[in-house]
Amino acid sequence: AQKVTQAQTEISVVEKEDVTLDCVYETRDTTYYLFWYKQPPSGELVFLIRRNSFDEQNEISGRYSWNFQKSTSSFNFTITASQVVDSAVYFCALQGYSSASKIIFGSGTRLSIRP
Amino acid sequence: ETGVTQTPRHLVMGMTNKKSLKCEQHLGHNAMYWYKQSAKKPLELMFVYSLEERVENNSVPSRFSPECPNSSHLFLHLHTLQPEDSALYLCASSQEASGAYNEQFFGPGTRLTVL
Repeated sequence: AQKVTQAQTEISVVEKEDVTLDCVYETRDTTYYLFWYKQPPSGELVFLIRRNSFDEQNEISGRYSWNFQKSTSSFNFTITASQVVDSAVYFCALQGYSSASKIIFGSGTRLSIRP
Repeated sequence: ETGVTQTPRHLVMGMTNKKSLKCEQHLGHNAMYWYKQSAKKPLELMFVYSLEERVENNSVPSRFSPECPNSSHLFLHLHTLQPEDSALYLCASSQEASGAYNEQFFGPGTRLTVL
């Protein structure tokens, strides 16, 4: 069975602090995809990144970075120098490669950035 | 219009009403999805359509009836709903339902309240 765990329900930090959102997954698939989505108060989920299971290279996009560690089944997301606009609910998700595989979302982490 | 659009954005209905939610994607994608997002619950995948054919139905009650007349449009017909069906209903699309082009792009959602 596939499972995504985001143990941090809520995080609150002061603006300009760095913050890491944890994501741990379980899957029996050898090929799979991991995702991060952002859901601001407006409600729309915004796609941030997709990572293939065979590519463990970490990725940086501006203030965002992702650390994929297959050995610990984790795909953590770090925001550097956080800003108030980063306040949102962030979802980690997992999908196997096969046509029968559906995407599984974690329960989300609510991130609040205080000015 | 760009991306994924949903109408209406807000809907209040009685338990005996019949209403429909509409989703349209302008991305040329082949797969479309309906999700339900209730307070304090993970995102629940309801239906998946690939090339206008339903490929996933996650034990959703029959009071929810999806329709996909073409690859750009997706409807969710509602009838005799219950108050516990009140939630944010999100539509998404992806280039393919699985494999290498499966990142999903979401609409803004319809906030449904059932009285």
